Amino acid sequence: ETGVTQSPTHLIKTRGQQVTLRCSSQSGHNTVSWYQQALGQGPQFIFQYYREEENGRGNFPPRFSGLQFPNYSSELNVNALELDDSALYLCASSYQAGPAYEQYFGPGTRLTVT
Amino acid sequence: AQSVSQHNHHVILSEAASLELGCNYSYGGTVNLFWYVQYPGQHLQLLLKYFSGDPLVKGIKGFEAEFIKSKFSFNLRKPSVQWSDTAEYFCAVIRNSGYSTLTFGKGTMLLVSP
Repeated sequence: ETGVTQSPTHLIKTRGQQVTLRCSSQSGHNTVSWYQQALGQGPQFIFQYYREEENGRGNFPPRFSGLQFPNYSSELNVNALELDDSALYLCASSYQAGPAYEQYFGPGTRLTVT
Repeated sequence: AQSVSQHNHHVILSEAASLELGCNYSYGGTVNLFWYVQYPGQHLQLLLKYFSGDPLVKGIKGFEAEFIKSKFSFNLRKPSVQWSDTAEYFCAVIRNSGYSTLTFGKGTMLLVSP
């Protein structure tokens, strides 16, 4: 078990709705990355936050947005949900940003869009 | 764009068989390489990593991987698998510059029969 927690565990939403997913990073970590893992696929990078600022973004539309708070916890918000947004959303924290720092993953939030 | 290819989507082995999972990446610059494992119902966890130095790296639970730069490969091996190795295995790459975006392969589901 890592010290990264995510809530909720599971969520069911209807197409067009909005959703907020939450992540608490491991103690001492200031960097949080979010990934989307569709069924049968590897995780895909959504964006990263470092010290409350977005520090990089993958190929996801603007309706995917995020926040990082002063305690380094983070939120992922998705507006105008689409069926293809159904996936496992993973949060990972690391001690610092940068390729040398190991990312520790949380258990994920399973989002189902109907 | 950087990509990671894992050769097999599903592998079925008997206990004590040897394992080799293939991984190739497309990025030409300096990279850091990882293998992650996801046991049923558990979060993603790091199996091993290569940053520099000896291209043969050893990880947890008897796993090892060899980085072959000329082949852009980072194959995972274990001499003798156990039933408890049943899991999904992901190869991932980070460019050794800029922000720490993990690019994952699609994963290989390993089923070890007792």
